[in-house]
Amino acid sequence: AQSVSQHNHHVILSEAASLELGCNYSYGGTVNLFWYVQYPGQHLQLLLKYFSGDPLVKGIKGFEAEFIKSKFSFNLRKPSVQWSDTAEYFCAVNAYAGKSTFGDGTTLTVKP
Amino acid sequence: GAGVSQSPRYKVAKRGQDVALRCDPISGHVSLFWYQQALGQGPEFLTYFQNEAQLDKSGLPSDRFFAERPEGSVSTLKIQRTQQEDSAVYLCASSPGLAGGLRTDTQYFGPGTRLTVL
Repeated sequence: AQSVSQHNHHVILSEAASLELGCNYSYGGTVNLFWYVQYPGQHLQLLLKYFSGDPLVKGIKGFEAEFIKSKFSFNLRKPSVQWSDTAEYFCAVNAYAGKSTFGDGTTLTVKP
Repeated sequence: GAGVSQSPRYKVAKRGQDVALRCDPISGHVSLFWYQQALGQGPEFLTYFQNEAQLDKSGLPSDRFFAERPEGSVSTLKIQRTQQEDSAVYLCASSPGLAGGLRTDTQYFGPGTRLTVL
């Protein structure tokens, strides 16, 4: 069975600080990887995704993630966070038809 | 509509009551997914449909949970004889393509239905 682990439950940063959120998954085969974001009062929405090819994936709002197959990791990064990045971030993996497995999420609070 | 809609947004049920949660996916989307999200946790897969066919229901926690999508569009998740442990946010998502093989389309999520069982 596939599983996803997000190491940080709550991260607090000041504006302009750099961000890295950890995500590790357990599954030995080919996977599709996703980061979703939920802003306060809004729906879950896709931030970025990896299917194949270049392991460095760029998403919306300056976010990027790097797939490191040997480490089973897909960490999310942003060089300089803004107050508007305050949200909950979920990593998800899909290893076979239909079923996606989500991590428990990381709450990011950015102080102005 | 522009996005996935769910109704009701909030539902309070007494233990033992039956509830029905509705999901209207984005028009034309082939695949539809249901997730359960408990407080402080990520969404947990319940079931998914490809058109009207329910292809995976391995995540349904018990036989009290039942989902249908009879015409390949609107879907209903029904919970019979609700229990307190059923309290959660139930999320619906749809995607335009077939949820098969190794490539999965982006899922578009609705706002969820928050179910509270007293």
